[in-house]
Amino acid sequence: DGGITQSPKYLFRKEGQNVTLSCEQNLNHDAMYWYRQDPGQGLRLIYYSQIVNDFQKGDIAEGYSVSREKKESFPLTVTSAQKNPTAFYLCASSHGQGVYGYTFGSGTRLTVV
Amino acid sequence: AQKVTQAQTEISVVEKEDVTLDCVYETRDTTYYLFWYKQPPSGELVFLIRRNSFDEQNEISGRYSWNFQKSTSSFNFTITASQVVDSAVYFCALSEARGSQGNLIFGKGTKLSVKP
Repeated sequence: DGGITQSPKYLFRKEGQNVTLSCEQNLNHDAMYWYRQDPGQGLRLIYYSQIVNDFQKGDIAEGYSVSREKKESFPLTVTSAQKNPTAFYLCASSHGQGVYGYTFGSGTRLTVV
Repeated sequence: AQKVTQAQTEISVVEKEDVTLDCVYETRDTTYYLFWYKQPPSGELVFLIRRNSFDEQNEISGRYSWNFQKSTSSFNFTITASQVVDSAVYFCALSEARGSQGNLIFGKGTKLSVKP
C-alpha cells in the first residue's frame, strides 16, 4: 500500500540534544512538507521541498533543518536552537503542488524534557 | 492576501444532531481549490473533499455534505445525524493555482465533540 511513514510515533529527548524525525513516502510524490501542531493550534509550515535537493523555509523554520537527498525521504532535524520543540510533527506529500491536496503521515509526538 | 478562517474553535453536539462547520476563504486567484480534512484523535489528517473554484455544485457523501458559495467565499461542511466517531478536529484549506507556491493554506481548525 502506498503512503507516508513517519517514525517514531513518540520521541523523548533531553533538552539541548538534536533529534531527527523520519518521513518516507512511496507515493512517487514530488513535493514534501513538514508541519508543526501545538495543542489547540492549527498547522504551521516548517519546511517544504518541491523537488529533490531543493527545499524552502516555511513560516517557522528557525531551529529546524531538513534535507531532500532522495525523492522518497524528507527528514526533519529539530536542533537545540529550537526553543520550544515539544509538539506534534506532521509530514505530508503531494503530487506536484498543493492543488491536488496532501497525503499526511500519522505524525511524531516529540517531548523534550 | 490568501487566508482561511474557521471562526468556530470548538463545537459540542449530542449524537444525532446535525452540525455545520464554517469556512471562509480569501484569495485573489480566479483558479483555486478548497479542501476539508479530518484529524481524529490518532493524529493523522484524512482527506475528505477537494473542490475547484469553477465547480459550485454542492456535494453529498453519505452523512457529509458541502456547500460551496463563491458569492460569500464560503465552503461550509455539514454532518447530518452526527455520531461519536465524528469527533475530531476538522481543517479547511485553500490552494491557489498561482499564489503561495501552490501550497495549502490551512484554517486553524474546528474541534467537534459529539457526545452520546
